[in-house]
Amino acid sequence: AQSVTQPDIHITVSEGASLELRCNYSYGATPYLFWYVQSPGQGLQLLLKYFSGDTLVQGIKGFEAEFKRSQSSFNLRKPSVHWSDAAEYFCAVDTTNTGFQKLVFGTGTRLLVSP
Amino acid sequence: GAGVSQSPSNKVTEKGKDVELRCDPISGHTALYWYRQRLGQGLEFLIYFQGNSAPDKSGLPSDRFSAERTGESVSTLTIQRTQQEDSAVYLCASSDRAGGNEQFFGPGTRLTVL
Repeated sequence: AQSVTQPDIHITVSEGASLELRCNYSYGATPYLFWYVQSPGQGLQLLLKYFSGDTLVQGIKGFEAEFKRSQSSFNLRKPSVHWSDAAEYFCAVDTTNTGFQKLVFGTGTRLLVSP
Repeated sequence: GAGVSQSPSNKVTEKGKDVELRCDPISGHTALYWYRQRLGQGLEFLIYFQGNSAPDKSGLPSDRFSAERTGESVSTLTIQRTQQEDSAVYLCASSDRAGGNEQFFGPGTRLTVL
C-alpha cells in the first residue's frame, strides 16, 4: 500500500537557521507530491507540489522541496526560518496521478522555532 | 464564498448518538473531499465527490459513516451511533480543474465523543 513517512515528530530550529523536514514515500511509480502547513487554529495550506519536470520545486513563504527518485524522498527546506514558520507540516502523495488528488498524508512534523 | 467553511466548529456528543457535519465548499468547485485527523496523526481520506459522478467512498471506515452532496454545493458527513474512536477533527476540502486541482481546506470540525 502507498504510504508516506515523516520520521521526525518534532523539530526545533533557531530563528534564522536553516530547516530541512524529511519525507519518504512508498509508491511504485512517480507520484504527485505535496507539502502542506497547518498553523494553530487554521486549515491546511498548500506550500508546494511536484508533478513532473524539474526536481527542485519552489513554493510559497520561501520554502522549496527536492524530489529524489533514488531515495524516494521529497524533503522540504528553507534557508532561514522565521518565528511565524512554527506550525505542523504534512507531506502528502497523490497516488491516483489523475489530477484529482486522493491524498495520503504523513503523520506530520511539528516545527518549533526558538528565539 | 471566500473559502471552505465547516460547521459546527466543535461538537461534543455522547456515545451512541448520531452527528451531522456540514461543509460549504468554495463556490464553483466541482470536487469535494472529507478527511479525518485523529490526534497526533496525519489526515485520513474518507470520501471524494466529483460533480455528478458516483462518490469514491473507499476511505469510509465503517457503515456508520456516510456522506451526501447535492450537485456542486453543500456536503454533509453523517456518523451514526458514534463511538469514542470517532473523536477527531473532520476536515473538508474542495478543488476544481481551473485551479490545478489544488485542494483548499476548511478549518475543520472537532468532534468529541464522550
